[in-house]
Amino acid sequence: EDQVTQSPEALRLQEGESSSLNCSYTVSGLRGLFWYRQDPGKGPEFLFTLYSAGEEKEKERLKATLTKKESFLHITAPKPEDSATYLCAVRVQVNTGGFKTIFGAGTRLFVKA
Amino acid sequence: EPEVTQTPSHQVTQMGQEVILRCVPISNHLYFYWYRQILGQKVEFLVSFYNNEISEKSEIFDDQFSVERPDGSNFTLKIRSTKLEDSAMYFCASSGGSKAFFGQGTRLTVV
Repeated sequence: EDQVTQSPEALRLQEGESSSLNCSYTVSGLRGLFWYRQDPGKGPEFLFTLYSAGEEKEKERLKATLTKKESFLHITAPKPEDSATYLCAVRVQVNTGGFKTIFGAGTRLFVKA
Repeated sequence: EPEVTQTPSHQVTQMGQEVILRCVPISNHLYFYWYRQILGQKVEFLVSFYNNEISEKSEIFDDQFSVERPDGSNFTLKIRSTKLEDSAMYFCASSGGSKAFFGQGTRLTVV
């Protein structure tokens, strides 16, 4: 069964304390891995798409990397405004030739000033 | 910056009633999606729509649900005969390629 698991469930950091969030997946037919940020009561906000192992994307204090089994979202010197839930999702091809998207449960990040 | 707009932001309905959730995707996008998120749970894919037809749907998207693009700008999700367990945030998204943009969601409460 296709699965996406994010860890940790929650992460508390001091401002400036760099860390990484993990998204591990067991799927067949991966056609993209996505990272989103979600603030309370709002829709997910797109951050990155990764397609192949070894690929890396960066945006401000965030850097996403991908291997064949997992993806990491590295946060360098986080600020309180980085506090949010970070969602990982994978797009997989299904038997019918179509696609489905599976989300992880998210990592809630709290950054204290 | 262009954005996906959803209305209403909050809808309360009686069990058994029909509701229509509305979305205005980003104007030059061709792919449209509905997702739902039950409180405290994962975001779940419902359906994707391309070229005026459903391209994918999940097991959740049964005969109770339907989608429509009634004109060039709106994309709607209809839920017939709502049940208590349909209470959730419903997100619309659109994309022109690999990057999907989400709306702010409609909170549906079935009482």
